[in-house]
Amino acid sequence: QKEVEQDPGPLSVPEGAIVSLNCTYSNSAFQYFMWYRQYSRKGPELLMYTYSSGNKEDGRFTAQVDKSSKYISLFIRDSQPSDSATYLCAMNSIGNQGGKLIFGQGTELSVKP
Amino acid sequence: EAGVVQSPRYKIIEKKQPVAFWCNPISGHNTLYWYRQNLGQGPELLIRYENEEAVDDSQLPKDRFSAERLKGVDSTLKIQPAELGDSAVYLCASSPASQETQYFGPGTRLLVL
Repeated sequence: QKEVEQDPGPLSVPEGAIVSLNCTYSNSAFQYFMWYRQYSRKGPELLMYTYSSGNKEDGRFTAQVDKSSKYISLFIRDSQPSDSATYLCAMNSIGNQGGKLIFGQGTELSVKP
Repeated sequence: EAGVVQSPRYKIIEKKQPVAFWCNPISGHNTLYWYRQNLGQGPELLIRYENEEAVDDSQLPKDRFSAERLKGVDSTLKIQPAELGDSAVYLCASSPASQETQYFGPGTRLLVL
C-alpha cells in the first residue's frame, strides 16, 4: 500500500464548475501538506501549502486538511480552461525525514470551455 | 529571479549507454533534490543535498546511479549503464533550507531504447 493515495482521473469538468481533488494518506507523522500543479512537460509548481489541520484559501483555491481522517482536499472554484493540468498532493513530516516529499500519483484535470 | 535550470531537456539513448543530467538551483538555495517521475506517477525522491553533503540517498540505486554537488551549487546525476526501466522524467528541485518550499525545474525527459 502506498503512503499517499490519489485518484489519477482523468477528471473532466465544464468551465465554471467547482472541482474537488482528494488524497488519503497512511503515515500519521505527516505534518506538512502541499498541492502542486504540473502542466504537460513542465515541472510541478507549488499551489498551496498547509501545516497540520484546517483550511487555507487563496483566491479560487481552498485546501483542507483533516488529520483525524488522514484526508486532504483541494477545491477549485469557477474553474477555467487554464486550470487544466495534473494536480499532485504532497506531504512530509518533521524530524529526520526532513524535506523528503511523498507525492500522490496525481489527478489529471481537464476544464472544457 | 531565474528558476531551477536543467539540461538537457530531452535525451534518447540506447540501453547500456551512460547518461548525465545537470541542474543549477535557484541562487542561494542550500538544499537540492533529485526526483524521478515515471509516466502517470508522482515524483519520487532519489537524493537530497544539504550544501555539498548528500543527507538522504536511501532511494538512489547505487549500483548504476551516482550524483555529485560540487561547491554546493550545481549538481550532476549520472546513470551508467542505463536500463530500459530508467526511462522517466528526472526532476531537480531546490529550497532555501530543507523544511522550506521546494521549487522544481522543468525536468529532463529520458528515453532508453
